[in-house]
Order: sequence, then structure tokens, then C-alpha cells
Amino acid sequence: EAQVTQNPRYLITVTGKKLTVTCSQNMNHEYMSWYRQDPGLGLRQIYYSMNVEVTDKGDVPEGYKVSRKEKRNFPLILESPSPNQTSLYFCASSRSTTNEKLFFGSGTQLSVL
Amino acid sequence: GESVGLHLPTLSVQEGDNSIINCAYSNSASDYFIWYKQESGKGPQFIIDIRSNMDKRQGQRVTVLLNKTVKHLSLQIAATQPGDSAVYFCAENINAYNTDKLIFGTGTRLQVFP
Repeated sequence: EAQVTQNPRYLITVTGKKLTVTCSQNMNHEYMSWYRQDPGLGLRQIYYSMNVEVTDKGDVPEGYKVSRKEKRNFPLILESPSPNQTSLYFCASSRSTTNEKLFFGSGTQLSVL
Repeated sequence: GESVGLHLPTLSVQEGDNSIINCAYSNSASDYFIWYKQESGKGPQFIIDIRSNMDKRQGQRVTVLLNKTVKHLSLQIAATQPGDSAVYFCAENINAYNTDKLIFGTGTRLQVFP
């Protein structure tokens, strides 16, 4: 089954404790992206990747890092999480760019205390 | 339509009726539009898309209409069912400086009652 898989589904952490949210897709997609979803604000892009070893900042990249060492994986790293990063995070992928159908993972609910 | 506030606009329809969800987009250069459905606790799910060279596209029980003159997009759901209850949001793709960017709306909640 074609899918985007994120882990973990829920995560509670404390300020400053580094964490990684994993994302994997099995559709051989070139484009992958991370979004955060907050009430009333819609989905906002954090980082995206057009292909392996190519990553770019989205609209809200501060406090986040990503890497794209393999085509299927695109982990999101929070080196020193802060409470304002409490949010619902989604990973997504598409065949080439956002000018094509974007597939989303099930989400990761992160709470930073 | 879309909302920038904390409370999503809500459309309540009776089971079996048709639903129309509206979206106003911002950029006349947008070339691709998508409708997503998001059920509680799940990720956005693709429903239907349309490119800017079209005015209408139909899927199974869903139709998307694009009015470029007034920058308006609508999603019509025929014979609405309880399983259609979710938040629906539109997205527009803007191509600027040879780079694609997807802009999402905040969504409309659809409630289906028996």
C-alpha cells in the first residue's frame, strides 16, 4: 500500500531535550515536506526537499532541522525543543513538486513542556 | 468560506443533501488547486484537484468548480453521507521564480446529521 509513515504518533517531551520525528514514503517520490498545523493557522511549511541531499527552508524553519540522505526518508529534528513548538506535525510527499498530488502521513502530535 | 480565526466555519447538512464548500484563493498566478479532507486524528486526505486551464472537474460524488475571474474555488459533495463529516480545506499552488509553493486554507468543518 502506498503510504507516508510517521513516527511517533504522539510525543511528550521537555524543553531542550533533542528529538527526531521520522518520516518514510514507499512511493519513490522525489519531493518531501514537513508541515505544522496549529488552530486557525492552517498548514505551514517547515522544510522541504526536492530530492536526495537537497533541502530548503519553508515558511517557519526556525528551531528545526531536516536531512535527506535517502530518497524514502526525511526526518525532522528538533535540537532544543521549546513550548512554542507544541503542534501537530505532518510529513508529506509527491512525485516531483507541489504542483502534483501531495500525500500526507497520519501526523505526530508533539507537546513540549 | 475559509476563516483566519480560531473557530472554523461550519456547514451543517442533512444526510442525503448536497454540500457546497467554498474557498477564496489569493493569487491570480496560481496554477493548481487541491481539496483535502481531514478527519479527526488523521492526516489530510486528497479528494480532488483541478488545474487552472479547467473550470470544472468531477470525481465520484464530488465536483470542483474554479472561477478564476473572482478567484473562487468550490467543492460540491453529492448525496452527503455521515462519513463525509470532516474538515475540508483547499490549497493553491503558486509558481514563482520557477519554484512551486502550496498555500493552504484554514478549512471548513462539515457536519452531517441524520
